[in-house]
Amino acid sequence: DAGITQSPRHKVTETGTPVTLRCHQTENHRYMYWYRQDPGHGLRLIHYSYGVKDTDKGEVSDGYSVSRSKTEDFLLTLESATSSQTSVYFCAISESASNREPRFGPGTRLTVL
Amino acid sequence: SQQGEEDPQALSIQEGENATMNCSYKTSINNLQWYRQNSGRGLVHLILIRSNEREKHSGRLRVTLDTSKKSSSLLITASRAADTASYFCATDQIQGAQKLVFGQGTRLTINP
Repeated sequence: DAGITQSPRHKVTETGTPVTLRCHQTENHRYMYWYRQDPGHGLRLIHYSYGVKDTDKGEVSDGYSVSRSKTEDFLLTLESATSSQTSVYFCAISESASNREPRFGPGTRLTVL
Repeated sequence: SQQGEEDPQALSIQEGENATMNCSYKTSINNLQWYRQNSGRGLVHLILIRSNEREKHSGRLRVTLDTSKKSSSLLITASRAADTASYFCATDQIQGAQKLVFGQGTRLTINP
């Protein structure tokens, strides 16, 4: 889906280092989300945004922070990466109207050694 | 915590047979969605069913929703090898932000 991109697509880092993942959309959607997916599991919501500078926590927010300074970009930061944060991270976007499905980005595979 | 629990966790059938996957959830929902994920790939949205709907069709897919039992089922008819994937249900509890809560998924294998 070209309307939503994630960067980087793959990253290997060491424990204790900061990491920032970027989600970029060209759809001008209001809502943006960060999920993580661990092996054998569905996705779990980390944080989401309902507008520029408006964010809220999801189910598994500990150890993560987010920022949204522009409509099109939603950043996920791991201030000090830990091995438990090794996962695949998916960004999603959705419109204001409910009952419209969100669209997911291609994912970022993060490995923390 | 996982809102959706999927059953079975794994399903293996012959090509041409029908596949049924079930999803149960715990709290009231706004809608329920089904997704497919091929190994190592992103999510593909299949169907969204609203809380006031009971059944929905899309091609070879049929989804039912029983809000009194807090359960949903996904039926894939005339399965194909290309249907091999993991299937997830996800519930959306409130209007507005789509804060989806996913089940753990059913791994479907279609044998040729």
